[in-house]
Amino acid sequence: DSGVTQTPKHLITATGQRVTLRCSPRSGDLSVYWYQQSLDQGLQFLIQYYNGEERAKGNILERFSAQQFPDLHSELNLSSLELGDSALYFCASSVATGGEQYFGPGTRLTVT
Amino acid sequence: GESVGLHLPTLSVQEGDNSIINCAYSNSASDYFIWYKQESGKGPQFIIDIRSNMDKRQGQRVTVLLNKTVKHLSLQIAATQPGDSAVYFCAEKRYTGRRALTFGSGTRLQVQP
Repeated sequence: DSGVTQTPKHLITATGQRVTLRCSPRSGDLSVYWYQQSLDQGLQFLIQYYNGEERAKGNILERFSAQQFPDLHSELNLSSLELGDSALYFCASSVATGGEQYFGPGTRLTVT
Repeated sequence: GESVGLHLPTLSVQEGDNSIINCAYSNSASDYFIWYKQESGKGPQFIIDIRSNMDKRQGQRVTVLLNKTVKHLSLQIAATQPGDSAVYFCAEKRYTGRRALTFGSGTRLQVQP
């Protein structure tokens, strides 16, 4: 158990809908990263937050957004969902930006 | 269910044998390399890391070798056990700028009893 929690574990929704994925980092970790793991793209970095502020962006679509709250938990919002958004979404946390990243168990999103 | 389902190269080894998993990277500016293990239904789990100024690092039953000349990284697992069956990813990052990990495509290790 990495200490990073993610909810929900599974999510099934329809195209065009909006969902929110939640991540709680390990106690004491200030940095949160979001990754997408799909069949054809592997593990891809989406976005990073550090102590409430966005630090880096990767291959994140404009339909996706994220935030990190004062209690350091983070949410990833996915809107106007398409079939191709079906994937595993992982959150990772680290003590500081650049530190060792610990991954949560992931949320499996299925868009039908 | 399957955590990955990717069309990955598969390495099949007998229990007790040594395993060698390879990874080629492209960014010569990477400062740091990490091997992750991903079991079915779980997130990636840190195994071992190596800085770019090193060429070898050993852990418990695992050794990582880095060849910067040919941009190649390998993970050696000694006395492979059934619990080692998983998908293994190499990842790289830099110390400056974006600190996120860039993952390789992964290798599925199957340990035969």
